[in-house]
Amino acid sequence: DAGITQSPRHKVTETGTPVTLRCHQTENHRYMYWYRQDPGHGLRLIHYSYGVKDTDKGEVSDGYSVSRSKTEDFLLTLESATSSQTSVYFCATGPTTNEKLFFGSGTQLSVL
Amino acid sequence: GENVEQHPSTLSVQEGDSAVIKCTYSDSASNYFPWYKQELGKRPQLIIDIRSNVGEKKDQRIAVTLNKTAKHFSLHITETQPEDSAVYFCAAVNTGNQFYFGTGTSLTVIP
Repeated sequence: DAGITQSPRHKVTETGTPVTLRCHQTENHRYMYWYRQDPGHGLRLIHYSYGVKDTDKGEVSDGYSVSRSKTEDFLLTLESATSSQTSVYFCATGPTTNEKLFFGSGTQLSVL
Repeated sequence: GENVEQHPSTLSVQEGDSAVIKCTYSDSASNYFPWYKQELGKRPQLIIDIRSNVGEKKDQRIAVTLNKTAKHFSLHITETQPEDSAVYFCAAVNTGNQFYFGTGTSLTVIP
């Protein structure tokens, strides 16, 4: 597998608290993505990045923000966590256009 | 944005039979169509992909077909084995390199 590390792997938090998930890659891939995976919904794109400081919204971006200050790191922030954000979050990276994505191991987030 | 629909949501087949999963997409500008397999508790991993200038691609027991006019593509698995049991996702990729996934098909191969 590509060198993609997500942290933390598991997190339990309370409603209203801020949460930051980190994705770190050692592959020097240009593209980075955050997805959430929920039963019946598959993988839904939250935000993605096509370069340092270049990010854009995906299909379920409300309540989430991202930052990419260097090639290897892509941070996902839940400003004020809600129970509807309980999910498994996957980071993915891609080297160039129209090439496969490599996924991290996922982060299980529970918002109580 | 892109809308990818995937059917069926669950599929059970006898070992040795074939399995077919179908996807449709809405954005005619999408030009790359990968398929991912996700085993329980694991990350999704690519099993095969096809680009818009190709109608069919095969890799051993797995094949993918693409009909750009109709905007649909399909995954075919022949001679299924128990280790093929997993959730399969199709995706359509647009010119902005955004990957939009279908809702997944849970395949069970019965020994």
